[in-house]
Parts: sequence; structure tokens; C-alpha cells
Amino acid sequence: AQTVTQSQPEMSVQEAETVTLSCTYDTSENNYYLFWYKQPPSRQMILVIRQEAYKQQNATENRFSVNFQKAAKSFSLKISDSQLGDTAMYFCAFTLSPALTNAGKSTFGDGTTLTVKP
Amino acid sequence: GAGVSQSPRYKVAKRGQDVALRCDPISGHVSLFWYQQALGQGPEFLTYFQNEAQLDKSGLPSDRFFAERPEGSVSTLKIQRTQQEDSAVYLCASSAESYTYEQYFGPGTRLTVT
Repeated sequence: AQTVTQSQPEMSVQEAETVTLSCTYDTSENNYYLFWYKQPPSRQMILVIRQEAYKQQNATENRFSVNFQKAAKSFSLKISDSQLGDTAMYFCAFTLSPALTNAGKSTFGDGTTLTVKP
Repeated sequence: GAGVSQSPRYKVAKRGQDVALRCDPISGHVSLFWYQQALGQGPEFLTYFQNEAQLDKSGLPSDRFFAERPEGSVSTLKIQRTQQEDSAVYLCASSAESYTYEQYFGPGTRLTVT
């Protein structure tokens, strides 16, 4: 079974500064996908960024980037130039590739609540 | 539609009542997922459909939980004889192709069992 651990229940950052959210996971499989989702107080979860495990290059989406360390099973999210609208709960998630059993479902961590302060 | 919709948004049920939660995925999306999210925790997988086929129901916590997607679009999650521990937010997500992992989530249904 796969597990996802987010060790920082809460974090805060000043507006315009940079913050990094941590995520580690455990799996015996080699082919999988990793995601960061954002869940604002309204509760609609949206995808922030995704990383394919077979790609060595770290994914980047505008102000959001990841540091993917496959051997260490670590997948952190860096938010640059933090904005007030980034205040939300952030979830790290893991999904197996389609060739494997139970492909498609995601395993989520328990989330990190990020507060961006003005 | 523009996104995944769920109804009702809020549901209060007395212990022992049956409830039905509806999910309308994005039009044309093949895969549909149900998750249960307890307060302060991450979503937990319940079940997964590919079109009308329920391919994985390993996360359903008991035989009181039942999900269906008879025509491969709208899905209903039914909980029979609700218990207090069923209180949670139930999230539905859909994705465009069988093996596309970008899941689009609905706003959830908050179920409170009294």
C-alpha cells in the first residue's frame, strides 16, 4: 500500500516571500504520478502541479515548482512570490501508473494549511 | 458543464436514515472517483468508475455504502442506515481519459449525521 506524509500541519509566510511545503511518500512501485492540490476555504480542490516519476526534470507552473527526489521519495512544493490568494490547504497526492492494479485512485496526505500574511 | 457539480451541498440526516449523494462530472469524462474527507484530513478513496463499470470499490467502508453510474455519466453514492461516523465531506472527481490522472473535483457534499 502507498502512503503519503505531510509533516507540516500549518505554515505561514509573508506576502511576496517564498515558502516550501514538504511531502514524503512510500511505495514499492516505480511508475507513478505525484500531485499537489490546493483546497481554498470554499473547499473546491484544484490541481496546482503534477510530476511524472519517470521524468527527472522538476515540474514548474508559474510561481509553483517542485523538488522531486525519487530516491528519497520526497516531493516538496515551492511557492514563490506568495500572494494572499495562495492561502489554502495544500494536499500532496500519489497515483499509480495505469499498468498496475488500482490505477487511477489517488492517495492523499493530510494536508498543510498555508496562511499568507499581508 | 463547466465543472463537476455535486448535490446537495449540505445534508443533515438522522442516524439510521438513508441518503443519496449525486455527482455530475464534466461532460465526456470517462473516469469518476468518490472520496471521503473527514474534518482536518485528506480525502480517502472510496470507489472508482470507468464509464459505467465500477473498477475499484476497495475503499467503501462497509456494505452500507453503494455507488452506481448506470449510464456512464451521473453517479450516485448511497449510504444506508447512516451512522455518526459517516459524517464527512464526500468529494467527487472526474478525469478525461481512462489513464489521465488530472482529477477535477466538485465542491463536495457535507454530510452531518445527528
